[in-house]
Amino acid sequence: ETGVTQTPRHLVMGMTNKKSLKCEQHLGHNAMYWYKQSAKKPLELMFVYSLEERVENNSVPSRFSPECPNSSHLFLHLHTLQPEDSALYLCASSQGVASSYNEQFFGPGTRLTVL
Amino acid sequence: AQTVTQSQPEMSVQEAETVTLSCTYDTSENNYYLFWYKQPPSRQMILVIRQEAYKQQNATENRFSVNFQKAAKSFSLKISDSQLGDTAMYFCAFMRGAEEYGNKLVFGAGTILRVKS
Repeated sequence: ETGVTQTPRHLVMGMTNKKSLKCEQHLGHNAMYWYKQSAKKPLELMFVYSLEERVENNSVPSRFSPECPNSSHLFLHLHTLQPEDSALYLCASSQGVASSYNEQFFGPGTRLTVL
Repeated sequence: AQTVTQSQPEMSVQEAETVTLSCTYDTSENNYYLFWYKQPPSRQMILVIRQEAYKQQNATENRFSVNFQKAAKSFSLKISDSQLGDTAMYFCAFMRGAEEYGNKLVFGAGTILRVKS
């Protein structure tokens, strides 16, 4: 596998379910990101992790819970979601966050549908 | 807060022709970066081109070039010799340049470009 991978690619869940999205980067990067892409809004940054430490939490509801066990893996744990949470969830990684510019590389996304 | 505006929800162009996608942004910063990302129907987003605000020269990557007008806060993307593989959603994005802002991208709403044969 190369680049940034995400699993599953599609997920359908009920509002009472608990599920997790997984992201893995094979680029040797130190920073990882979760974005939400919904039909009617621009891409929104949700979380940023740098060296496994969360450095940004963009006012995301607590029903979304990120986890970064190491610099290669990022999870988004989902529980008690709402239908309006249905969206494409994109993961990205970069070399770091602490210099003036680091290109972000994106995964293919997980298409989430909440029933 | 920074905002990015793409006023063209959809555009189409004939194969081999040239098309320009518009983007404007709002910021009080002087040090920043601007980007165009491409998201094909397969959904993997890739970087097309990048412009540093301190550079006066417009960035160029093969058939892709930008027209960066800093005073007007305008950043348009020109695609020359359009190909069917250029069909995608195109996002304009902004990033503040200083280290303390943590490499965060602010995206526009996107423009769907369809290249017709």
